[in-house]
Amino acid sequence: EAQVTQNPRYLITVTGKKLTVTCSQNMNHEYMSWYRQDPGLGLRQIYYSMNVEVTDKGDVPEGYKVSRKEKRNFPLILESPSPNQTSLYFCASRREGSYEQFFGPGTRLTVL
Amino acid sequence: EDQVTQSPEALRLQEGESSSLNCSYTVSGLRGLFWYRQDPGKGPEFLFTLYSAGEEKEKERLKATLTKKESFLHITAPKPEDSATYLCAVPLSYNTDKLIFGTGTRLQVFP
Repeated sequence: EAQVTQNPRYLITVTGKKLTVTCSQNMNHEYMSWYRQDPGLGLRQIYYSMNVEVTDKGDVPEGYKVSRKEKRNFPLILESPSPNQTSLYFCASRREGSYEQFFGPGTRLTVL
Repeated sequence: EDQVTQSPEALRLQEGESSSLNCSYTVSGLRGLFWYRQDPGKGPEFLFTLYSAGEEKEKERLKATLTKKESFLHITAPKPEDSATYLCAVPLSYNTDKLIFGTGTRLQVFP
């Protein structure tokens, strides 16, 4: 089944404790993105990647890091999480030539 | 400033009561506009891509249209299962993957 998977789905952590949210897609898509979704603000793009080793900032990259060492994986790293990073996070992927993005199920992160 | 605005924020309809959702945008040079549906607790699901003014796309009870400044998502004779948040998004350029999403319209259809 074609899908985007994220882990963990739920995470409660404390300020300053490094964490990684994994994202994997099995569709051989070139493009991958991370978004955060907050009430009243909608979906905002954090980072995107157009292929292996090619990443760039979206609208709200501060406090986040990404890497794209393999085509299928695009982890999101929070080196020192803060409470304002409490949010619902989505990973998405699409193939080159199509704007149809496939979204993962989301990761709900709470930073205390 | 590039911006995507959706209205209304929320819409309550009786089953069978047709209506329209609006997505207006201010970006320099339209490169397409996308509609997504999002159910509570789930990731958005792609519905339509529109590329040029005058274009229309249909899927079941949904019809998306595009003008030079806005897009409409028309819902004809909605059913309770159409209840969801509908999002529109616009790409900022061809050479990047930057997308701007609107904040969505939360649709509730009552039997």
